[in-house]
Amino acid sequence: SYELTQPPSVSVSPGQTASITCSGDKLGHKYVCWYQQKPGQSPVLVIYQDNKRPSGIPERYSGSNSGNTATLTISGTQAMDEADYHCQAWDTTTVVFGGGTKLTVL
Amino acid sequence: QVQLVESGGGLVKPGGSLRLSCAASGFTFSDYYMSWFRQAPGKGLEWVSYISSSGPTIYYADSVKGRFTISRDNAKKSLYLQMNSLRAEDTAVYYCARWHYDSRGFAGIDYWGQGTLVTVSS
Repeated sequence: SYELTQPPSVSVSPGQTASITCSGDKLGHKYVCWYQQKPGQSPVLVIYQDNKRPSGIPERYSGSNSGNTATLTISGTQAMDEADYHCQAWDTTTVVFGGGTKLTVL
Repeated sequence: QVQLVESGGGLVKPGGSLRLSCAASGFTFSDYYMSWFRQAPGKGLEWVSYISSSGPTIYYADSVKGRFTISRDNAKKSLYLQMNSLRAEDTAVYYCARWHYDSRGFAGIDYWGQGTLVTVSS
């Protein structure tokens, strides 16, 4: 079965750029989505189709996907961005998630 | 506004059954693929199943295949998940969710319910 791998945790200082990776075999051939999830809340879509932002998502969120790695980038990270981030892709007819990355803003 | 409200969670013994429901409002339910996802305590998200807008296309994760059944009633704007032969590892918050898509295809899960907790324990 297809697997997506994320680092368990990433730390960033306020105002700096955070990068969260998601790796999978030939992932660049698939569309990747990213979801933000804060404690006790449901996930929120922040990036879809590799690099598109849903309405209402700040411009500081961006995404890329090439080769075997997709990356979620948060520019000018704010305290409110502290959350778990989950990448997601399709493998033919099944939906696959990475294990999630806890982003700490300190 | 779009709302997805799950119900039916609770405590059940191993081997038991439970039926989850999801009431949708604020959009044309029959136009959308829908899914169930789950999240075990302290763990990541896991896809469970999805169903096409009119119901003929259904897929399940291997972990629930043969035990869980997804269905929908477009007239009632409702999504269901019948869960049989429940195991301790099925313990999780279960989310109902809507798939967004555009001209390029699937475009992520744009709305999630608040989740309902299913606990499988003796």
